[in-house]
Amino acid sequence: SQTIHQWPATLVQPVGSPLSLECTVEGTSNPNLYWYRQAAGRGLQLLFYSVGIGQISSEVPQNLSASRPQDRQFILSSKKLLLSDSGFYLCAWAGGTEAFFGQGTRLTVV
Amino acid sequence: GENVEQHPSTLSVQEGDSAVIKCTYSDSASNYFPWYKQELGKRPQLIIDIRSNVGEKKDQRIAVTLNKTAKHFSLHITETQPEDSAVYFCAATVQAGTALIFGKGTTLSVSS
Repeated sequence: SQTIHQWPATLVQPVGSPLSLECTVEGTSNPNLYWYRQAAGRGLQLLFYSVGIGQISSEVPQNLSASRPQDRQFILSSKKLLLSDSGFYLCAWAGGTEAFFGQGTRLTVV
Repeated sequence: GENVEQHPSTLSVQEGDSAVIKCTYSDSASNYFPWYKQELGKRPQLIIDIRSNVGEKKDQRIAVTLNKTAKHFSLHITETQPEDSAVYFCAATVQAGTALIFGKGTTLSVSS
């Protein structure tokens, strides 16, 4: 069966520090992969999605970037975090249409 | 691109009452409409979905209706229970590889 792993679960980072969140999927090939951010009162905001290795679509311009170095690996990065980057980050995969979410990363920028 | 609006943002009902959450979408090409439930501190999970060739779908106490002409769809929960309390998200997408676009969520509170 398919599983999705996302880490870390919680993260506290100072303003200006870099960020790297990793997401991997097992049990499927060529999945569509997504990064969403959930800020208080703002629902699930799509940040990036990828339909294949090296293919990244950005939905929201900001100081975050994403990379897909392998078929089942999706990485969310930032060179310098802002206070406004705090939130709950969710990775998801979809083989067809239904999305399955990782456990999420609670990021607090201080 | 697709834009999904969801109302209300919060909904409080008494146990046993019905709850209705409504969503509208902008892209007439969208043809898949799932609903996700997110309990506090947990990941969203799919509870029901509907495709554009169907007007209504029901699963026990949960039903979803779709009006493609008006570009809106709704989630109906009957005989609500305290364990239905959660944040509910609607979403829309075109099948075949485009991203799920979510509404902003509805916080449902069921009091006993």
